[in-house]
Amino acid sequence: AQSVTQLDSHVSVSEGTPVLLRCNYSSSYSPSLFWYVQHPNKGLQLLLKYTSAATLVKGINGFEAEFKKSETSFHLTKPSAHMSDAAEYFCVVNKGTSGTYKYIFGTGTRLKVLA
Amino acid sequence: DGGITQSPKYLFRKEGQNVTLSCEQNLNHDAMYWYRQDPGQGLRLIYYSQIVNDFQKGDIAEGYSVSREKKESFPLTVTSAQKNPTAFYLCASSPGQLFSGNTIYFGEGSWLTVV
Repeated sequence: AQSVTQLDSHVSVSEGTPVLLRCNYSSSYSPSLFWYVQHPNKGLQLLLKYTSAATLVKGINGFEAEFKKSETSFHLTKPSAHMSDAAEYFCVVNKGTSGTYKYIFGTGTRLKVLA
Repeated sequence: DGGITQSPKYLFRKEGQNVTLSCEQNLNHDAMYWYRQDPGQGLRLIYYSQIVNDFQKGDIAEGYSVSREKKESFPLTVTSAQKNPTAFYLCASSPGQLFSGNTIYFGEGSWLTVV
């Protein structure tokens, strides 16, 4: 079985401080992992994607994530939060067994950025 | 610009009524998906399609129907059999094979409310 767990449903940071959004996954195989961002009443936009080429993945808007197989984690970070980063973030894992692939979405982390 | 267009953005359904959500993409993607999003939850898969005239049920297909008569179009009908249809609906597409680990692109979503 495979799943993805976002450890925090809400995270608040002050503008200019670092952001850490945590994601753990379970998978029998090496997965593809994604982070998406969703602004209110909007669709999801890809931030970054891991597909085994490099464990540290850089995405758009200054975000990056590190794939740690030993910890089964794929945490999203940003050195300095901006007000425009306030949104909901989804960690997604893609893998399966014997052809039964699917995308599994975490339940989301809502990021609040304080002025 | 290439993308996925969903319409309408807001839709109200009366009891016993069927409603159809439109999804059109000009990305030339083969795979298309419909997801349902409820507050505080991740996305759940309703239906998916790899090619024209072929589609498969996802995890929560009961009360929904789809068609894929053209590559670029994948409309979703919410039937009266869906007892709790109030939600945010997201259409998505990806290049290549279904669930292959390629990036998923999302539309802006449609809000459906039962009145």
